[in-house]
Amino acid sequence: NAGVIQTPRHKVTGKGQEATLWCEPISGHSAVFWYRQTIVQGLEFLTYFRNQAPIDDSGMPKERFSAQMPNQSHSTLKIQSTQPQDSAVYLCASSHWGGAETLYFGSGTRLTVL
Amino acid sequence: GEKVEQHESTLSVREGDSAVINCTYTDTASSYFPWYKQEAGKSLHFVIDIRSNVDRKQSQRLIVLLDKKAKRFSLHITATQPEDSAIYFCAADSNYQLIWGSGTKLIIKP
Repeated sequence: NAGVIQTPRHKVTGKGQEATLWCEPISGHSAVFWYRQTIVQGLEFLTYFRNQAPIDDSGMPKERFSAQMPNQSHSTLKIQSTQPQDSAVYLCASSHWGGAETLYFGSGTRLTVL
Repeated sequence: GEKVEQHESTLSVREGDSAVINCTYTDTASSYFPWYKQEAGKSLHFVIDIRSNVDRKQSQRLIVLLDKKAKRFSLHITATQPEDSAIYFCAADSNYQLIWGSGTKLIIKP
């Protein structure tokens, strides 16, 4: 079991460009979470899928962020027209069923917007 | 909504001593309280949790205490070792989500 896999590990974009981040959850896990981590804001919840269905995207900046889970083996987080304030580590986590249980985090994608 | 406050932003202890990290929460419906560790340059990983049906849980050198009346829970690390140096995050459940504390950087001095 390779754990939660996130690619790429690092991504540098220019202001206004698009960034797509990928997450492969642990096989058999039905819940996938996306978080953003910065020094200033700490850990921020972005969105949550269960059985590939979007359950809650209340943490997503609506205009430029979108997330999808087209199949049970991967989820994507897309940021359009990236801005410097989007620079952060984006973490994906999965769990068995999405309730009060252990989350398994990927190594994260460090996004730098110049 | 639920708020989780982690009181110590940095904690420095001497190797071999105990470290205590405290968190408070606001939602009386919260029933699950995990702790995660983040070592330098790495992601978060689970260390221990406690559920509201107990007030104490121990796993080797880690002890978690829960005071539901005060809405407070704490992580005690006994006989600290250099590898305990990390940022520790507490969290509390609110519906299906975890609400996170801001993290405590634990420094173990030789």
